[in-house]
Amino acid sequence: QQQVKQSPQSLIVQKGGISIINCAYENTAFDYFPWYQQFPGKGPALLIAIRPDVSEKKEGRFTISFNKSAKQFSLHIMDSQPGDSATYFCNTILRAGGTSYGKLTFGQGTILTVHP
Amino acid sequence: GAGVSQSPRYKVAKRGQDVALRCDPISGHVSLFWYQQALGQGPEFLTYFQNEAQLDKSGLPSDRFFAERPEGSVSTLKIQRTQQEDSAVYLCASGSTGDLQETQYFGPGTRLLVL
Repeated sequence: QQQVKQSPQSLIVQKGGISIINCAYENTAFDYFPWYQQFPGKGPALLIAIRPDVSEKKEGRFTISFNKSAKQFSLHIMDSQPGDSATYFCNTILRAGGTSYGKLTFGQGTILTVHP
Repeated sequence: GAGVSQSPRYKVAKRGQDVALRCDPISGHVSLFWYQQALGQGPEFLTYFQNEAQLDKSGLPSDRFFAERPEGSVSTLKIQRTQQEDSAVYLCASGSTGDLQETQYFGPGTRLLVL
């Protein structure tokens, strides 16, 4: 079941440029929105996360923008670097049925390539 | 400190064989998740343990899959009578608190190829 739609599937950016990845969700009961970064041959690692009561969160060059009414959120990477080349996954966590643990629902992933 | 480790890193199985995949979470972590990642896709949830209790196994694709965490630390995911569609990377993740917003720390995964 596809609860999170992520776009684009792949993205090529020049060094110093801005990378933008978008996600849309359907279920308004989603309660937490983390982004994970995955390098080839490695497991995903948490990059940045946002709660639905916040419209924007910034950590260094990474910013999440959240639009609750449109049920969309996006990741912006400023001053993109070759070391940022990886696959990025948006995620949602659903609070339902008394669940208290963070069962991640991953998007399809965006392969980011930053050219030097 | 040591992160999450998984073994073996690669496993080739003939169709019909049983396999066992091991996850060593970060010491003291309460939560342990298993995910399945098909080629070119995002990981999909399989099952969740809080300490030794398996609280959610809703993502296990069939009764050929089962997981255990008998002492609340190491976990094993077992796949019986493997099929070609089981070929994927199996990821394990652990978390320290067991709450909804905890950070999940992922291992490198076990790449399973069923021939």
